[in-house]
Amino acid sequence: DTAVSQTPKYLVTQMGNDKSIKCEQNLGHDTMYWYKQDSKKFLKIMFSYNNKELIINETVPNRFSPKSPDKAHLNLHINSLELGDSAVYFCASSQASGIVETQYFGPGTRLLVL
Amino acid sequence: AQSVTQPDIHITVSEGASLELRCNYSYGATPYLFWYVQSPGQGLQLLLKYFSGDTLVQGIKGFEAEFKRSQSSFNLRKPSVHWSDAAEYFCAGGGSGTYKYIFGTGTRLKVLA
Repeated sequence: DTAVSQTPKYLVTQMGNDKSIKCEQNLGHDTMYWYKQDSKKFLKIMFSYNNKELIINETVPNRFSPKSPDKAHLNLHINSLELGDSAVYFCASSQASGIVETQYFGPGTRLLVL
Repeated sequence: AQSVTQPDIHITVSEGASLELRCNYSYGATPYLFWYVQSPGQGLQLLLKYFSGDTLVQGIKGFEAEFKRSQSSFNLRKPSVHWSDAAEYFCAGGGSGTYKYIFGTGTRLKVLA
């Protein structure tokens, strides 16, 4: 049983396209996150949702739009893809709200924009 | 400002040797601290965490870490490294009342046979 799953695992696309990455967790957690890992392995949080409500929205271009249809799913839609969007995107989830809890990460989606 | 720093970008050790990976933090109060490992092409796996209490925490795969408030450090250690430990290691921290982790920049561990 995969705790946090992401699809697709790899995504190769052209500049200007729109793409989505999906994330699902079966841990019963309340909070989900999207992280971006750049080519230097630096990990930075992008968004977080708690019970379908946006609670963290870092300085991210508005071409990136998260959507949480229910607390087990958090999808990331990216419009007008740019070369600089090439990275690995990780989804994560955690149990509680309001305090720092252990985050469980998905396997990542490797996005390459040509 | 809150921060987590990993001073070593790369570390190379021989198989069987001991290992210490450094992590320094800057938080107003006692932070929650974590170590994660990322194997090539994989996601992040939690090795261990410190929330409070005993300052020496044990993790999976034979790893341990010690929280030292006086040095603002949370270094990861392993007495004898195995070739399969070669990976990227991330220290992360979070403050009470926040959902957010701040990750260090990672330390890449290479293990020589």
